[in-house]
Amino acid sequence: NAGVTQTPKFRILKIGQSMTLQCTQDMNHNYMYWYRQDPGMGLKLIYYSVGAGITDKGEVPNGYNVSRSTTEDFPLRLELAAPSQTSVYFCASSSGLGNTIYFGEGSWLTVV
Amino acid sequence: DQQVKQNSPSLSVQEGRISILNCDYTNSMFDYFLWYKKYPAEGPTFLISISSIKDKNEDGRFTVFLNKSAKHLSLHIVPSQPGDSAVYFCAAKTGGGNKLTFGTGTQLKVEL
Repeated sequence: NAGVTQTPKFRILKIGQSMTLQCTQDMNHNYMYWYRQDPGMGLKLIYYSVGAGITDKGEVPNGYNVSRSTTEDFPLRLELAAPSQTSVYFCASSSGLGNTIYFGEGSWLTVV
Repeated sequence: DQQVKQNSPSLSVQEGRISILNCDYTNSMFDYFLWYKKYPAEGPTFLISISSIKDKNEDGRFTVFLNKSAKHLSLHIVPSQPGDSAVYFCAAKTGGGNKLTFGTGTQLKVEL
């Protein structure tokens, strides 16, 4: 019953460093998403994918990149970390339009 | 521009009583609404949803009411239990879309 798995759970980055948040799902879902949640705010969509090889921007894509080479994996790349990217990141997946979105447990990222 | 608003950041209710969580939206194109529940250090989990063609949906102790003319929905939990203590997010989406717009969340505390 793994569902959506994200790694790492916690990470501290220095300004200007790069890193990749990993996300994998074992439910054979076509749709995958990356959200971020800032303190006291709702979740905001960064990028999403409707299938392998297809990605698209969400509300707040600046400073991030994604790829979707397989159905299972949807990594999120931060190229030049900035303090404004300090947040909790959630990966999610769903089987299709109108269906329930399942979230991972979150990755806490601090940029100092 | 916050299209989905949860104006009460917190709510405290006694065990056994009714909890009412409110959500307002501004985008008249939204036609599907969801409630997610989030415990600390976990990802959001789907709770209940409602389509705009309905005005009520019930699932056990949880009922969601939709008032389209007022662009308002509410989640009723009755009876409230200590395990219901969590942050509740309202979310909305349009048509066959797969992108959710989230509110800022309401922290519910159910006291003994």
